[in-house]
Amino acid sequence: DAGVIQSPRHEVTEMGQEVTLRCKPISGHDYLFWYRQTMMRGLELLIYFNNNVPIDDSGMPEDRFSAKMPNASFSTLKIQPSEPRDSAVYFCASSPDRGSKTQYFGPGTRLLVL
Amino acid sequence: GDSVTQMEGPVTLSEEAFLTINCTYTATGYPSLFWYVQYPGEGLQLLLKATKADDKGSNKGFEATYRKETTSFHLEKGSVQVSDSAVYFCALSDPGGYQKVTFGTGTKLQVIP
Repeated sequence: DAGVIQSPRHEVTEMGQEVTLRCKPISGHDYLFWYRQTMMRGLELLIYFNNNVPIDDSGMPEDRFSAKMPNASFSTLKIQPSEPRDSAVYFCASSPDRGSKTQYFGPGTRLLVL
Repeated sequence: GDSVTQMEGPVTLSEEAFLTINCTYTATGYPSLFWYVQYPGEGLQLLLKATKADDKGSNKGFEATYRKETTSFHLEKGSVQVSDSAVYFCALSDPGGYQKVTFGTGTKLQVIP
């Protein structure tokens, strides 16, 4: 299995631009998570989905952030408009089922907003 | 709510030294407990886990025992290597409900030759 795939791996953009991060979970996994990691705040859960349905988005910082999961093999995290304080590494993770609880992380997208 | 507290880093050890990274938790019921490791430039990956009291998780020479009486899940390794240099995260998941996992703040380990 290829594991969780994220794209792009690196993104540099200017303040005010729209940023779209993409994730392909491991096939057959029912759960998908988006995290943000910074030195100051550590690892933060932004939102997670079960069977393509958002379950908890309480970690989404503000209305500039949105996430979708149109099907079982694809999810996006969008920031519009982006701000310098959004600079971070964004991870996508997936989990196979309710009993397992183990999460499999992608390699992350390193975002820099200038 | 659920929380995980782990020792502040960074931890610097010489090769072949003994490693302990402390982790305590607060949760209702009987959570599953995990240690994840993050190598530089990579995502987190599961190192070991334990799902009930007194279980011992082990992998790659690392061990941790689920201690319900002290609500702890300390990570240990008898002899660290330079390749163990990474950030280690303690985590827990609620036994019921969905798959949400609560992570600690991470402890950076640096092993010097």
